[in-house]
Amino acid sequence: NAGVTQTPKFRVLKTGQSMTLLCAQDMNHEYMYWYRQDPGMGLRLIHYSVGEGTTAKGEVPDGYNVSRLKKQNFLLGLESAAPSQTSVYFCASSFRGISMEGDTQYFGPGTRLTVL
Amino acid sequence: DQQVKQNSPSLSVQEGRISILNCDYTNSMFDYFLWYKKYPAEGPTFLISISSIKDKNEDGRFTVFLNKSAKHLSLHIVPSQPGDSAVYFCAAPGGGGADGLTFGKGTHLIIQP
Repeated sequence: NAGVTQTPKFRVLKTGQSMTLLCAQDMNHEYMYWYRQDPGMGLRLIHYSVGEGTTAKGEVPDGYNVSRLKKQNFLLGLESAAPSQTSVYFCASSFRGISMEGDTQYFGPGTRLTVL
Repeated sequence: DQQVKQNSPSLSVQEGRISILNCDYTNSMFDYFLWYKKYPAEGPTFLISISSIKDKNEDGRFTVFLNKSAKHLSLHIVPSQPGDSAVYFCAAPGGGGADGLTFGKGTHLIIQP
């Protein structure tokens, strides 16, 4: 049981390049999320999904796209990378929406992305 | 507009003593709160949570207190151990209409021997 895994762990891009970050979970969770964390900041929600085939915008969605073609995978795409997208990206999953005691999100180890 | 605030970027505590980490929130709709612990180069891991119907929740060395009238919660760790050195995030579901979590900026707890 690997939990939440993220690929790749590190990546360096040049401005204007594109890339896709892959998140996979083996807990059969319905909900999946992408966050970014910048220095001195908390995690901020980029996009999320409440089930296979669904996606929704979070707090900071601009410049990113996502897809959830399979329940266990959630992809985050950068079509034209910018230096402002230099960050650590975390994927998370949960069985359902977080609303009551016992609910929590499970996080992957993160992807450190640098855009030059 | 920060809806979850952790105003202490860092906190240093001696091993064996009590660590108290604070969190304030502005959104009255928040009714469930979570604390996450994060080590460098790892993802956050869930530590403890509290529902707004309670004012205290305890799990071993960790206790979270909630004061709804003050919109304030605190995480107590006693006794503090070296392995507790990490960044601690306070979080709440919602905020901005999305189904994710709204996080504070975190407090870096340093346990000194």
